[in-house]
Amino acid sequence: AQTVTQSQPEMSVQEAETVTLSCTYDTSENNYYLFWYKQPPSRQMILVIRQEAYKQQNATENRFSVNFQKAAKSFSLKISDSQLGDTAMYFCAHKPFNFGNEKLTFGTGTRLTIIP
Amino acid sequence: AAGVIQSPRHLIKEKRETATLKCYPIPRHDTVYWYQQGPGQDPQFLISFYEKMQSDKGSIPDRFSAQQFSDYHSELNMSSLELGDSALYFCASSLGTGRPYGYTFGSGTRLTVV
Repeated sequence: AQTVTQSQPEMSVQEAETVTLSCTYDTSENNYYLFWYKQPPSRQMILVIRQEAYKQQNATENRFSVNFQKAAKSFSLKISDSQLGDTAMYFCAHKPFNFGNEKLTFGTGTRLTIIP
Repeated sequence: AAGVIQSPRHLIKEKRETATLKCYPIPRHDTVYWYQQGPGQDPQFLISFYEKMQSDKGSIPDRFSAQQFSDYHSELNMSSLELGDSALYFCASSLGTGRPYGYTFGSGTRLTVV
Protein backbone atom coordinates (compact mmCIF):
# COMPACT_ATOMS: atom_id res chain seq x y z
CA ALA A 1 0.00 0.00 0.00
CA GLN A 2 1.16 3.51 -0.73
CA THR A 3 1.57 6.17 1.91
CA VAL A 4 2.13 9.87 1.48
CA THR A 5 3.58 12.05 4.22
CA GLN A 6 3.54 15.81 4.50
CA SER A 7 5.48 16.80 7.57
CA GLN A 8 4.59 20.51 7.58
CA PRO A 9 1.01 21.01 8.82
CA GLU A 10 1.25 24.78 8.43
CA MET A 11 3.50 27.27 6.72
CA SER A 12 3.41 30.99 6.14
CA VAL A 13 5.45 33.25 3.91
CA GLN A 14 5.51 36.87 2.88
CA GLU A 15 4.00 37.79 -0.45
CA ALA A 16 6.50 37.60 -3.34
CA GLU A 17 8.78 35.23 -1.48
CA THR A 18 9.53 31.64 -2.39
CA VAL A 19 8.25 28.72 -0.37
CA THR A 20 8.87 24.98 -0.57
CA LEU A 21 6.40 22.38 0.62
CA SER A 22 7.72 18.92 1.44
CA CYS A 23 6.29 15.54 0.57
CA THR A 24 7.62 12.03 0.92
CA TYR A 25 5.94 8.83 -0.12
CA ASP A 26 6.39 5.13 0.12
CA THR A 27 5.67 2.73 -2.70
CA SER A 28 7.05 -0.54 -4.00
CA GLU A 29 6.27 0.37 -7.59
CA ASN A 30 8.76 1.64 -10.11
CA ASN A 31 6.26 3.61 -12.16
CA TYR A 32 3.60 5.89 -10.73
CA TYR A 33 2.29 9.44 -10.84
CA LEU A 34 2.62 12.22 -8.30
CA PHE A 35 0.49 15.31 -7.97
CA TRP A 36 0.13 18.48 -5.98
CA TYR A 37 -3.43 19.67 -5.42
CA LYS A 38 -4.50 23.00 -4.01
CA GLN A 39 -7.64 23.39 -1.91
CA PRO A 40 -8.51 27.06 -1.25
CA PRO A 41 -11.20 28.12 1.22
CA SER A 42 -13.78 27.47 -1.50
CA ARG A 43 -12.95 23.74 -0.96
CA GLN A 44 -12.46 23.10 -4.67
CA MET A 45 -9.63 20.65 -5.36
CA ILE A 46 -7.42 22.14 -8.05
CA LEU A 47 -4.58 20.33 -9.79
CA VAL A 48 -1.38 22.37 -9.49
CA ILE A 49 1.24 20.15 -11.06
CA ARG A 50 1.93 16.52 -11.91
CA GLN A 51 4.99 14.33 -12.35
CA GLU A 52 5.40 10.95 -14.01
CA ALA A 53 7.89 8.84 -12.10
CA TYR A 54 9.50 7.57 -15.31
CA LYS A 55 10.45 11.11 -16.29
CA GLN A 56 13.67 12.43 -14.82
CA GLN A 57 12.94 16.04 -15.65
CA ASN A 58 11.21 17.99 -12.91
CA ALA A 59 7.81 19.34 -13.86
CA THR A 60 7.23 23.10 -14.03
CA GLU A 61 4.03 25.09 -14.36
CA ASN A 62 4.63 28.82 -14.36
CA ARG A 63 5.50 29.79 -10.76
CA PHE A 64 5.17 26.19 -9.55
CA SER A 65 7.92 23.63 -9.85
CA VAL A 66 8.77 20.33 -8.22
CA ASN A 67 11.93 18.70 -7.00
CA PHE A 68 11.39 15.01 -7.68
CA GLN A 69 13.95 12.72 -6.05
CA LYS A 70 12.87 9.20 -6.99
CA ALA A 71 15.52 7.34 -5.00
CA ALA A 72 14.70 9.34 -1.89
CA LYS A 73 10.95 9.13 -2.62
CA SER A 74 10.67 12.84 -2.20
CA PHE A 75 8.42 15.23 -4.14
CA SER A 76 8.60 18.83 -2.95
CA LEU A 77 6.68 21.77 -4.40
CA LYS A 78 8.31 25.17 -4.85
CA ILE A 79 6.15 28.23 -5.26
CA SER A 80 8.03 31.25 -6.55
CA ASP A 81 6.89 34.87 -6.26
CA SER A 82 4.07 33.79 -3.97
CA GLN A 83 0.75 35.58 -4.31
CA LEU A 84 -2.16 36.10 -1.93
CA GLY A 85 -4.24 33.75 -4.08
CA ASP A 86 -1.82 30.95 -3.27
CA THR A 87 -3.22 30.80 0.25
CA ALA A 88 -4.74 27.33 0.47
CA MET A 89 -4.35 23.81 1.71
CA TYR A 90 -1.89 21.89 -0.43
CA PHE A 91 -2.11 18.13 -0.80
CA CYS A 92 0.53 15.85 -2.23
CA ALA A 93 -0.91 12.74 -3.88
CA HIS A 94 0.26 9.45 -5.40
CA LYS A 95 -1.47 7.44 -8.10
CA PRO A 96 -0.43 3.97 -9.28
CA PHE A 97 0.59 3.47 -12.87
CA ASN A 98 -1.37 0.34 -13.61
CA PHE A 99 -4.81 0.23 -15.17
CA GLY A 100 -7.67 -0.63 -12.85
CA ASN A 101 -5.96 0.88 -9.82
CA GLU A 102 -7.32 4.37 -9.82
CA LYS A 103 -6.89 5.43 -6.26
CA LEU A 104 -5.24 8.72 -5.41
CA THR A 105 -3.56 8.52 -2.03
CA PHE A 106 -3.29 11.92 -0.41
CA GLY A 107 -1.02 13.26 2.26
CA THR A 108 -2.50 15.06 5.25
CA GLY A 109 -1.91 18.44 3.67
CA THR A 110 0.01 21.63 4.38
CA ARG A 111 -1.90 24.80 5.14
CA LEU A 112 -0.08 27.65 3.40
CA THR A 113 -0.77 31.26 4.26
CA ILE A 114 0.63 34.09 2.17
CA ILE A 115 1.08 37.22 4.27
CA PRO A 116 0.53 40.61 2.58
CA ALA B 1 -14.96 25.20 -20.09
CA ALA B 2 -17.46 22.80 -18.57
CA GLY B 3 -16.46 21.38 -15.21
CA VAL B 4 -17.55 18.50 -13.04
CA ILE B 5 -20.97 19.28 -11.63
CA GLN B 6 -22.07 17.94 -8.27
CA SER B 7 -25.48 18.25 -6.75
CA PRO B 8 -26.62 19.21 -4.29
CA ARG B 9 -23.95 21.55 -2.93
CA HIS B 10 -25.19 21.13 0.60
CA LEU B 11 -27.33 18.45 2.19
CA ILE B 12 -28.59 18.03 5.72
CA LYS B 13 -29.97 14.66 6.76
CA GLU B 14 -30.94 13.02 10.00
CA LYS B 15 -29.40 9.83 11.33
CA ARG B 16 -30.69 6.69 9.68
CA GLU B 17 -31.94 8.60 6.65
CA THR B 18 -30.84 8.06 3.05
CA ALA B 19 -28.96 10.48 0.83
CA THR B 20 -28.22 10.50 -2.89
CA LEU B 21 -25.38 12.53 -4.30
CA LYS B 22 -25.09 13.15 -8.01
CA CYS B 23 -22.10 13.79 -10.21
CA TYR B 24 -22.03 14.95 -13.82
CA PRO B 25 -18.57 14.52 -15.37
CA ILE B 26 -16.94 16.76 -17.90
CA PRO B 27 -18.37 16.01 -21.38
CA ARG B 28 -16.59 13.03 -23.01
CA HIS B 29 -15.07 11.93 -19.71
CA ASP B 30 -15.89 8.29 -19.16
CA THR B 31 -14.38 7.73 -15.72
CA VAL B 32 -15.78 8.94 -12.42
CA TYR B 33 -14.26 8.82 -8.95
CA TRP B 34 -15.76 9.45 -5.52
CA TYR B 35 -13.83 10.71 -2.50
CA GLN B 36 -14.84 11.49 1.07
CA GLN B 37 -13.09 14.26 3.01
CA GLY B 38 -13.86 14.46 6.71
CA PRO B 39 -13.32 17.68 8.67
CA GLY B 40 -9.63 18.55 8.72
CA GLN B 41 -8.71 15.37 6.90
CA ASP B 42 -7.32 14.42 3.52
CA PRO B 43 -9.65 12.96 0.88
CA GLN B 44 -10.21 9.23 1.03
CA PHE B 45 -10.99 7.22 -2.09
CA LEU B 46 -14.36 5.51 -2.10
CA ILE B 47 -15.00 4.05 -5.54
CA SER B 48 -14.50 4.62 -9.26
CA PHE B 49 -16.27 3.70 -12.48
CA TYR B 50 -15.02 3.35 -16.03
CA GLU B 51 -17.48 2.94 -18.88
CA LYS B 52 -20.28 2.25 -16.41
CA MET B 53 -18.40 -0.58 -14.70
CA GLN B 54 -16.80 -0.38 -11.28
CA SER B 55 -13.07 -0.02 -11.86
CA ASP B 56 -11.67 0.28 -8.35
CA LYS B 57 -12.95 0.24 -4.81
CA GLY B 58 -11.60 1.81 -1.68
CA SER B 59 -12.85 2.24 1.85
CA ILE B 60 -16.52 2.52 0.98
CA PRO B 61 -18.91 1.32 3.69
CA ASP B 62 -21.39 -1.40 2.83
CA ARG B 63 -24.16 1.12 3.52
CA PHE B 64 -23.02 3.07 0.48
CA SER B 65 -23.55 2.09 -3.12
CA ALA B 66 -22.80 3.83 -6.37
CA GLN B 67 -23.27 3.43 -10.05
CA GLN B 68 -22.50 5.12 -13.34
CA PHE B 69 -25.29 5.54 -15.84
CA SER B 70 -25.39 5.39 -19.63
CA ASP B 71 -24.86 9.16 -19.87
CA TYR B 72 -21.78 8.72 -17.63
CA HIS B 73 -23.20 10.60 -14.70
CA SER B 74 -22.82 8.85 -11.37
CA GLU B 75 -24.81 8.66 -8.16
CA LEU B 76 -23.61 7.81 -4.68
CA ASN B 77 -26.36 6.38 -2.50
CA MET B 78 -25.86 6.44 1.24
CA SER B 79 -28.26 4.65 3.55
CA SER B 80 -28.63 4.39 7.34
CA LEU B 81 -26.67 7.60 7.70
CA GLU B 82 -24.47 8.03 10.74
CA LEU B 83 -23.05 11.17 12.33
CA GLY B 84 -19.61 10.10 11.11
CA ASP B 85 -20.76 10.30 7.51
CA SER B 86 -20.74 14.08 7.78
CA ALA B 87 -18.09 15.12 5.28
CA LEU B 88 -17.35 16.77 1.98
CA TYR B 89 -17.92 14.32 -0.86
CA PHE B 90 -15.97 14.94 -4.01
CA CYS B 91 -16.58 13.57 -7.42
CA ALA B 92 -13.90 13.74 -10.08
CA SER B 93 -13.75 12.71 -13.69
CA SER B 94 -11.16 11.84 -16.29
CA LEU B 95 -10.91 10.52 -19.83
CA GLY B 96 -9.93 6.89 -19.71
CA THR B 97 -8.12 5.12 -16.92
CA GLY B 98 -4.53 4.64 -15.93
CA ARG B 99 -3.52 8.00 -17.28
CA PRO B 100 -1.27 10.57 -15.66
CA TYR B 101 -3.41 13.58 -16.17
CA GLY B 102 -4.87 13.73 -12.71
CA TYR B 103 -8.52 14.24 -12.20
CA THR B 104 -10.78 17.24 -12.50
CA PHE B 105 -12.66 17.55 -9.25
CA GLY B 106 -16.11 18.95 -8.70
CA SER B 107 -16.82 21.49 -6.00
CA GLY B 108 -18.09 18.81 -3.66
CA THR B 109 -21.27 18.10 -1.75
CA ARG B 110 -21.17 18.94 1.91
CA LEU B 111 -23.24 16.39 3.79
CA THR B 112 -24.22 17.09 7.37
CA VAL B 113 -25.86 14.33 9.38
CA VAL B 114 -27.69 15.51 12.49
